[in-house]
Amino acid sequence: DQQVKQNSPSLSVQEGRISILNCDYTNSMFDYFLWYKKYPAEGPTFLISISSIKDKNEDGRFTVFLNKSAKHLSLHIVPSQPGDSAVYFCAASTSISSGSARQLTFGSGTQLTVLP
Amino acid sequence: EADIYQTPRYLVIGTGKKITLECSQTMGHDKMYWYQQDPGMELHLIHYSYGVNSTEKGDLSSESTVSRIRTEHFPLTLESARPSHTSQYLCASSGVGLAGYTFGSGTRLTVV
Repeated sequence: DQQVKQNSPSLSVQEGRISILNCDYTNSMFDYFLWYKKYPAEGPTFLISISSIKDKNEDGRFTVFLNKSAKHLSLHIVPSQPGDSAVYFCAASTSISSGSARQLTFGSGTQLTVLP
Repeated sequence: EADIYQTPRYLVIGTGKKITLECSQTMGHDKMYWYQQDPGMELHLIHYSYGVNSTEKGDLSSESTVSRIRTEHFPLTLESARPSHTSQYLCASSGVGLAGYTFGSGTRLTVV
């Protein structure tokens, strides 16, 4: 059972426009959410995160929105640039992981293509 | 520069061979992880470690094994590789608090 879902495997946007990547989750115990960006043949790199006590976090061109009642989060990239073309993974974690560590549960990713 | 390193980047190997995928980090992180990812699919946790001499299996069953003899080193071993093991293997580490994971560049394994 997939607890973190990214239902759009791909998204294409024009350079300069807004990219909106969506993520849904089913586990109400998730309290911390992250977005990772992955280029081919490389490991994912951390992009931005949000705690469940917030509904918005902004970092430059990247903003993450969290709607806890809908169990939905989204990543907005404004303006989109060709260098943003990559696979974006949504991830979630809960503080009730075993031991003191948090484990991340990942979605299946969305391939973003920004067209020049 | 603190980082996490995986070797090899690419590996093509015959069925039945024993292989070890290396992962080392210079950040002093206690927690380390191995994920497996197939194209278009989510990352699946196959092993994790909370410190030296601590190893646990992840959510996805795997025939691989891991060891954690040193804080900085978390190798993954397949005793007898099979074509079903063909995948990308990603190593990650994390520090204290809510910090996310730092991933290595991954090993793309192909078993023929």
